[in-house]
Amino acid sequence: NAGVTQTPKFQVLKTGQSMTLQCAQDMNHNSMYWYRQDPGMGLRLIYYSASEGTTDKGEVPNGYNVSRLNKREFSLRLESAAPSQTSVYFCASANYGYTFGSGTRLTVV
Amino acid sequence: QKEVEQDPGPLSVPEGAIVSLNCTYSNSAFQYFMWYRQYSRKGPELLMYTYSSGNKEDGRFTAQVDKSSKYISLFIRDSQPSDSATYLCAPSPNAGGTSYGKLTFGQGTILTVHP
Repeated sequence: NAGVTQTPKFQVLKTGQSMTLQCAQDMNHNSMYWYRQDPGMGLRLIYYSASEGTTDKGEVPNGYNVSRLNKREFSLRLESAAPSQTSVYFCASANYGYTFGSGTRLTVV
Repeated sequence: QKEVEQDPGPLSVPEGAIVSLNCTYSNSAFQYFMWYRQYSRKGPELLMYTYSSGNKEDGRFTAQVDKSSKYISLFIRDSQPSDSATYLCAPSPNAGGTSYGKLTFGQGTILTVHP
């Protein structure tokens, strides 16, 4: 049982480059989330999708876009990466309780 | 004021100690209170959850909620080196299901249990 799968696990970008973080879940959950985790800041919600076809902004959406491709997949896109987006990104899906992926460590230089 | 406040520590204790981890919150709508454990370089995993005020015990772990003071605690008895992790509190107004909302997490407390 894979749970929540995130790709890639590590990435280094140059300022201004774009990339898409992929997330897929196999638990038939309706809700999916993208968080970023920074030292001393805890987990902060970027975007979430309560169900297929809907997306909403979280606490820190600026500089990001999302796509809920289908019930299984929820991607996060950085259009023009900035050093402030250096972080660990976690995808989660939820029914009763959250299930998190293992994270993507992103460094923007 | 943040909606959920948690002392980030770090907290270092000897093996066998009783550990107390705490959070405060400001939103009176919170009814469900979850604790997540996060090992280094891993995603958080649900450890325990409680509903409303009171205690819930699961093995060496006890979750306690005092809604009157908006205070959440997690106690670990007979702590083990394998308990070394970051612990995050996460209160919520919803239990789950299709109406599951967004969780607000505390900053996390880094715990180290040394042999």
